[in-house]
Amino acid sequence: EAGVVQSPRYKIIEKKQPVAFWCNPISGHNTLYWYRQNLGQGPELLIRYENEEAVDDSQLPKDRFSAERLKGVDSTLKIQPAELGDSAVYLCASSLGLFSAGGQETQYFGPGTRLLVL
Amino acid sequence: QQQVKQSPQSLIVQKGGISIINCAYENTAFDYFPWYQQFPGKGPALLIAIRPDVSEKKEGRFTISFNKSAKQFSLHIMDSQPGDSATYFCAASSSGAGSYQLTFGKGTKLSVIP
Repeated sequence: EAGVVQSPRYKIIEKKQPVAFWCNPISGHNTLYWYRQNLGQGPELLIRYENEEAVDDSQLPKDRFSAERLKGVDSTLKIQPAELGDSAVYLCASSLGLFSAGGQETQYFGPGTRLLVL
Repeated sequence: QQQVKQSPQSLIVQKGGISIINCAYENTAFDYFPWYQQFPGKGPALLIAIRPDVSEKKEGRFTISFNKSAKQFSLHIMDSQPGDSATYFCAASSSGAGSYQLTFGKGTKLSVIP
């Protein structure tokens, strides 16, 4: 079974430039998460989707960050314009869904996109 | 803000030794406590998880010990191997609000030396 796919794996941009990250979750997973992981830190949730609906975006800096999950499958996270402090690894994760058997859901992470803003 | 405090920040263990990583939490609504393992250049991968209705869970060489009254839980890696060298994150979430949002600790970098 294919895991969570993310692209690109690495991105170097200059500040004030736009950047976009793409995620393809595990087939059949209804819940999709975007996390940001700063160097030496644990992942922090940016946004969570249940199918195509963003149900938790309280941690997403909405002035410059946006996300979409059209048709409830693939998702794109965009930053415009990027700032130096946005340098981090952006992780996408997916899980089966809130109401699957067992309650708590195992989240499966992709390899991440490492962003460097110069 | 909900927090999960993890220690130590780094750990060096001899091959065959026991690695112990500790976490403490504040939010009593947390009811799911997973541990994730992350290798360089990879995303975190679930290692083992526990719910507060049990005090210990063992899977192979990995054991979670859970102390609900102290609001602490720990990961024990028995017979540590060089291949276990990675960064380990504890996390916690609550199903009460229906969000299952994971709050991660800051991570422990484990190095197992031959």
